[in-house]
Amino acid sequence: NAGVTQTPKFQVLKTGQSMTLQCAQDMNHEYMSWYRQDPGMGLRLIHYSVGAGITDQGEVPNGYNVSRSTTEDFPLRLLSAAPSQTSVYFCASSYIGRAGRQFFGPGTRLTVL
Amino acid sequence: DAKTTQPTSMDCAEGRAANLPCNHSTISGNEYVYWYRQIHSQGPQYIIHGLKNNETNEMASLIITEDRKSSTLILPHATLRDTAVYYCIADVEGSSNTGKLIFGQGTTLQVKP
Repeated sequence: NAGVTQTPKFQVLKTGQSMTLQCAQDMNHEYMSWYRQDPGMGLRLIHYSVGAGITDQGEVPNGYNVSRSTTEDFPLRLLSAAPSQTSVYFCASSYIGRAGRQFFGPGTRLTVL
Repeated sequence: DAKTTQPTSMDCAEGRAANLPCNHSTISGNEYVYWYRQIHSQGPQYIIHGLKNNETNEMASLIITEDRKSSTLILPHATLRDTAVYYCIADVEGSSNTGKLIFGQGTTLQVKP
């Protein structure tokens, strides 16, 4: 199993540009989520999904959209990038009954100029 | 979700046991204690979790006090590769867990030669 994969690993955007961060898992996990981690800080939940077609907001959802059309994929869209969105983004997944035990991807390091 | 408090940083000599404390005095009866760690620039990694009883796996041991107000993660023989930020999280297990893990600041463990 590849586990949780994220692409790209690094990305530089200009203010106002949009982009999609990709996340995929091959463990048939129902639950998937996106976190961001700012320098020297803990992780903060952006959006999460408990299954295909179901998404909900986390702590810091503004400026981000998600959709979950398949069990495997959970892309995160930045609508109009701002410097405040410069961060490392982590995707995670787990079985719905074991959501305390999440598998994390390697992260995408995003810089917005 | 119960709030947890951890020391900001700790040192440990290589080969010695690392004992990382966590206070969770407001933990509910159905909340588990989870431990994750994050090695520099990588995604967090699940280590262990428990409800009441002490737990051990190939990575670590978890000791939970009888009143469940605190716990200790034990790395029995710390190596340089155990240098990381360790997060203690209290949350429910099972279908009622929507997976919204709350990561605090964690404890930065520095293992020294």
